[in-house]
Amino acid sequence: DIVMTQSPDSLAVSLGERATINCKSSQSVLYSSNNKNYLAWYQQKPGQPPKLLIYWASTRESGVPDRFSGSGSGTDFTLTISSLQAEDVAVYYCQQYYSTLLFTFGPGTKVDIK
Amino acid sequence: QVQLQESGPGLVKPSETLSLTCTVSGGSISSYYWSWIRQPPGKGLEWIGYIYYSGSTNYNPSLKSRVTISVDTSKNQFSLKLSSVTAADTAVYYCAHTFAVWGSGPYYFDYWGQGTLVTVSS
Repeated sequence: DIVMTQSPDSLAVSLGERATINCKSSQSVLYSSNNKNYLAWYQQKPGQPPKLLIYWASTRESGVPDRFSGSGSGTDFTLTISSLQAEDVAVYYCQQYYSTLLFTFGPGTKVDIK
Repeated sequence: QVQLQESGPGLVKPSETLSLTCTVSGGSISSYYWSWIRQPPGKGLEWIGYIYYSGSTNYNPSLKSRVTISVDTSKNQFSLKLSSVTAADTAVYYCAHTFAVWGSGPYYFDYWGQGTLVTVSS
């Protein structure tokens, strides 16, 4: 199984400041044949389903504000919110789809306003 | 745009079978992959399994012995059955479209239902 970990568990950031969330996989999710990282990021607000933000580690889903960006490769990934807005308060999850026999999610990182 | 809606009993007794249906609108179910994902109250996300529109399936090994996912293309629906439930199966259950491209995938979950809370209790 590919185990996903995230850090920190939670963070509080001032409005307009940068928020950085880290995600680490227990083995590489970089597929060498196409040089793609099989990693996605989701945002979940209270009482709502998760919403896809980023796929292939760095491709923003249509309609997602450009203050959200994904980076990283192999086993270490980062989701950055460049200028935190009030509506970004949520829990953020990473997910690997390298192993299609068992999709796994990280435990989540809660983002709040300081 | 694809929309998904879960339906089914909100309360199931221990040892019985949980049954949920996901109705797809705004697109045909006869393409790609469809998944079930659950989230216990206050906890993280767990992928349960997926089905390809042709009927082939793949399940989370931790649940495989108790899970069946099926598809009804005539109704544009797919379904989840989870047998021998316990309190640990209490969760919000989501259905989701699982993105793929012809010949490869599935990959990530791009469309989700709103979720339905299923409580296991006598």
